Amino acid sequence: EVQLVESGGGLVKPGGSLRLSCAASGFTFSSYSMNWVRQAPGKGLEWVSSISGSSSYIYYADSVKGRFTISRDNAKNSLYLQMNSLRAEDTAVYYCAREESSSWYCSEYWGQGTLVTVSS
Amino acid sequence: DIQMTQSPSSLSASVGDRVTITCRASQTISSYLNWYQQKPGKAPKLLIYAASSLQSGVPSRFSGSGSGTDFTVTISSLQPEDFATYYCQQSYRTPRTFGQGTKLEIK
Repeated sequence: EVQLVESGGGLVKPGGSLRLSCAASGFTFSSYSMNWVRQAPGKGLEWVSSISGSSSYIYYADSVKGRFTISRDNAKNSLYLQMNSLRAEDTAVYYCAREESSSWYCSEYWGQGTLVTVSS
Repeated sequence: DIQMTQSPSSLSASVGDRVTITCRASQTISSYLNWYQQKPGKAPKLLIYAASSLQSGVPSRFSGSGSGTDFTVTISSLQPEDFATYYCQQSYRTPRTFGQGTKLEIK
């Protein structure tokens, strides 16, 4: 069974840093690109970042470019999002999601999300 | 970036109604269009991928159509469990942009 479990969310002050993790199981992690998607309270879904299976290709939304860093450790079946210089507008539930290259790059599997709150 | 525009933003309907939600891309995306359903406090659930392919386990009352820039998802006969928010997403290019969502509410 495919499982994605995020952790690392919490309350942080503006300008602070936080590292999110996504533990994957039930599939060959290194074979899949992974995404981070966030959702601010009461708002819609926003794609944040993507990383290919070998980490060769990495992409960011303009809203986080230069502040967030996506990475993965295939030996540990884990995905990460290092978030620096956090702003109030980064407050959101952050989801990790597996990208299905065989199904037109949709995301069938999502984690349960982890809440990041940026507030003084 | 490719902009995705959904309409309507909200919709009131009754059990048994047929409803259609539209998604328009700002440039052609072939059939790289996915639809998700999200309920409060839950992660999104994939309903349709590649514009018209029904995800395994999704009821057949859901259907998708379109290609290029204009897409729809239709629910043929609304059930109580279908009241949720629906999002389209293009997977043609990065950033993988979402529509703003359509909230489907009970009339």
